[in-house]
Amino acid sequence: DSGVTQTPKHLITATGQRVTLRCSPRSGDLSVYWYQQSLDQGLQFLIQYYNGEERAKGNILERFSAQQFPDLHSELNLSSLELGDSALYFCASSVRGTTTDTQYFGPGTRLTVL
Amino acid sequence: GQQVMQIPQYQHVQEGEDFTTYCNSSTTLSNIQWYKQRPGGHPVFLIQLVKSGEVKKQKRLTFQFGEAKKNSSLHITATQTTDVGTYFCAGPYAGSQGNLIFGKGTKLSVKP
Repeated sequence: DSGVTQTPKHLITATGQRVTLRCSPRSGDLSVYWYQQSLDQGLQFLIQYYNGEERAKGNILERFSAQQFPDLHSELNLSSLELGDSALYFCASSVRGTTTDTQYFGPGTRLTVL
Repeated sequence: GQQVMQIPQYQHVQEGEDFTTYCNSSTTLSNIQWYKQRPGGHPVFLIQLVKSGEVKKQKRLTFQFGEAKKNSSLHITATQTTDVGTYFCAGPYAGSQGNLIFGKGTKLSVKP
């Protein structure tokens, strides 16, 4: 158990809908990262937050948005969902949000768009 | 753009055989990390290498960082069924304060 929690574990929805994925970092970690993992694909970095502020942005679609709240939990919002958005979404956390930090991954949310 | 490539993409070995995965970056990296993802699981940190030419060992696993800090390798001696999973390397995204760029991983299967 990494100490990072993600809810829900599974999500099935229809095209055009909007969903929210939630992540709680490890106690003491200030930075949260979101990744997308499609079938047989690597980890595509979406976005990083540090202590409530956006620190880095990757290949995140305009239909996607995220935020980190004062209690440090984070939410990833996916809207106007398309079939191609079906994937495993991981949240990770680290202490300082630097490139030498170890990232601790949550169990992931599996999103299926029908 | 910056790329981190891993080969092979898949490797099937007989239990007891050795296994090596290679990671190559298009840019010089200040450090490199390795993660393992078991089937159905999430990535788990294995190790970080920082120095040019660095070699680190964890039991049957040997990690190397190239002299030019653009490549790295993970070698597993005498594979076991518990080694099954996908191994990812990751390096800092150029110009970034905090995020990593991950390779696509090498998926290892071990036949008992």
